[in-house]
Amino acid sequence: EVQLVQSGAEVKKPGESLKISCKGSGYSFTSYWIGWVRQMPGKGLEWMGIIYPNDSDTRYSPSFQGQVTISADKSISTAYLQWSSLKASDTAMYYCARLYSGSYRSALGYWGQGSLVTVSS
Amino acid sequence: EIVLTQSPGTLSLSPGERATLSCRASQSVSSTYLAWYQQKPGQAPRLLIHSASSRATGIPDRFSGSGSGTDFTLTISRLEPEDSAVYYCQQYGSSPPWTFGQGTKVEIK
Repeated sequence: EVQLVQSGAEVKKPGESLKISCKGSGYSFTSYWIGWVRQMPGKGLEWMGIIYPNDSDTRYSPSFQGQVTISADKSISTAYLQWSSLKASDTAMYYCARLYSGSYRSALGYWGQGSLVTVSS
Repeated sequence: EIVLTQSPGTLSLSPGERATLSCRASQSVSSTYLAWYQQKPGQAPRLLIHSASSRATGIPDRFSGSGSGTDFTLTISRLEPEDSAVYYCQQYGSSPPWTFGQGTKVEIK
């Protein structure tokens, strides 16, 4: 069974750094792209970027390029989303999701449970 | 960047009725790279339809997708109470970013 398990909720202050994780199991981690999606409180889904864990090839949405860093450690089947300096506007639920097929162009087929990030002074 | 516009914003129907949700793209979505997701309150989204018309694993056949080019439709043939959710379309046919629509809320009376 494909599973993506994300790290828990975080409460941070503006200016702090953060790295959240997404651990895949039940499939070959290096064979499928993983994406990250933001959902701000009461709002819709925003596509942030994707990474191919086998070689760490990464593509970002222009809206998030330079604002976050997506990475992966294939030795422990884990993808990451990190911020160097959080803002209050980063408060949101963040989902990781594995692409449905092994193709680069594929829907987001398997989702993690979400990681809630709250940034408040 | 391709912009997806979903309509209506909210759909309020009774159990057993047919729901028709629309997703219109600002430019043609190549090779029908269009997906639909369902999100219930407090839950992660779930993939319903990929490639415009293919049901994902385990999705009931009352959910169907159609369309091509710039106009796509998700149809729920016979609404059940558990179909109450927000539905999002997403395109993944162009170069990233692979954008989502703003969502359609389906309410069951």
